[in-house]
Amino acid sequence: DVKVTQSSRYLVKRTGEKVFLECVQDMDHENMFWYRQDPGLGLRLIYFSYDVKMKEKGDIPEGYSVSREKKERFSLILESASTNQTSMYLCASSGQGPIYEQYFGPGTRLTVT
Amino acid sequence: RKEVEQDPGPFNVPEGATVAFNCTYSNSASQSFFWYRQDCRKEPKLLMSVYSSGNEDGRFTAQLNRASQYISLLIRDSKLSDSATYLCVVENNNDMRFGAGTRLTVKP
Repeated sequence: DVKVTQSSRYLVKRTGEKVFLECVQDMDHENMFWYRQDPGLGLRLIYFSYDVKMKEKGDIPEGYSVSREKKERFSLILESASTNQTSMYLCASSGQGPIYEQYFGPGTRLTVT
Repeated sequence: RKEVEQDPGPFNVPEGATVAFNCTYSNSASQSFFWYRQDCRKEPKLLMSVYSSGNEDGRFTAQLNRASQYISLLIRDSKLSDSATYLCVVENNNDMRFGAGTRLTVKP
């Protein structure tokens, strides 16, 4: 059974803090993605990775960075959290098949105060 | 203009009703189209792909109209368990664009 896990379901951080969001998939998928989901805006792609140590910017990479040191793990980093980064963060992965077959993690609701 | 637009709803329908959602997209070069379902406080999951010829999966029917650049999802005989947000997804060269979703509530 396909499984994508995220390190936290809920997280509260203060402005200026460094925040790490971890995502792990157990399907040996090559592709991994980080999205944020906000009401009325849908899912917006922050970064994605097609291979270990490889990363590509999505539509809204500003204020974020990523790390993929191992195939199964894709981390999203907020170097200095700001209140406008309060959102639901969703990680997804997909294999070599059609990229649309993305499997999502349960999401992390991040609140920056 | 958003790349993928959906009526946010909510659509409130009684059990057994038929309900339809539309989704419009702006990029005429889009190649693949999908519907995802997202339950409250849960992650999105692929519901079905949308083919040019239209496709059906049980009570669900998806249609694509390339000329008018919209896709539709029809749900027949609605069940309480169909209550969810339905996300329209449009893909072009591996670039996926998500709509903001249409919320459906099926009531007893």
